[in-house]
Amino acid sequence: GQSLEQPSEVTAVEGAIVQINCTYQTSGFYGLSWYQQHDGGAPTFLSYNALDGLEETGRFSSFLSRSDSYGYLLLQELQMKDSASYFCAVSARYSTLTFGKGTMLLVSP
Amino acid sequence: DAGITQSPRHKVTETGTPVTLRCHQTENHRYMYWYRQDPGHGLRLIHYSYGVKDTDKGEVSDGYSVSRSKTEDFLLTLESATSSQTSVYFCAISDPGQNYNEQFFGPGTRLTVL
Repeated sequence: GQSLEQPSEVTAVEGAIVQINCTYQTSGFYGLSWYQQHDGGAPTFLSYNALDGLEETGRFSSFLSRSDSYGYLLLQELQMKDSASYFCAVSARYSTLTFGKGTMLLVSP
Repeated sequence: DAGITQSPRHKVTETGTPVTLRCHQTENHRYMYWYRQDPGHGLRLIHYSYGVKDTDKGEVSDGYSVSRSKTEDFLLTLESATSSQTSVYFCAISDPGQNYNEQFFGPGTRLTVL
C-alpha cells in the first residue's frame, strides 16, 4: 500500500515564504507531484519530481529526497490568491496518483 | 485549459438506484482516471483506463464499474448507489507522450445519495 503524510493546515502572511512537507511510504514509486486546489475547484498541477533535488517554477519550488521518502513544496512571495489546499501525490504505473489528505494554506494580509 | 467536461455537474439520487457519470475529453489523451474527494480523505483513485477497453481498479473500486469504448469518453457507474458514495467525483486525463506526469482534472460532479 501507499500512504502520505502532510500537515493539515499552515498559516502565513503575504510576502512570506512557506514550506509544506510530505513524507510517504510506497511501493513502485515513480515520482512525487504537487497539486493546488482552490475551494470547490478542480485540482491543478504544480510540479513533479522524479529525481532527488530541487525543481523551481516561478514562485514555487519542489524538493525530493528519495532516500528519505520526503519532499516539500516551497512557496515564496506569498499572495492572497495562494490560499488554497495543496496535495502531494506519489505516482505509479500509468501515472496513477495516490494523494495525501492535503494541506490548507491560509494567507493573511 | 485541457478540454475535459463532466456530466452531470450535480446529481441527487436515492439509495439503490444506478447512476452513471460521464467524462468527456477533447485532448486525445490515452489515460483517464476517476477520483472521489471526501473531507478528510483527499482524492482517492476509483478506477483508471490506460487505453480503449483497458481499465483497472484503483484504491476504492468497490461498488463502482467503468467503461471506455472510445478514447474521448470514460463512464463511471454506481451500480446501486449508497449514502457512502455521496462525494465529489473528479475525472482526470494524462498522456504518456505529452507531459506524462501531469494530470488535468475536470470540473467535478457533486453527487448526493439520499
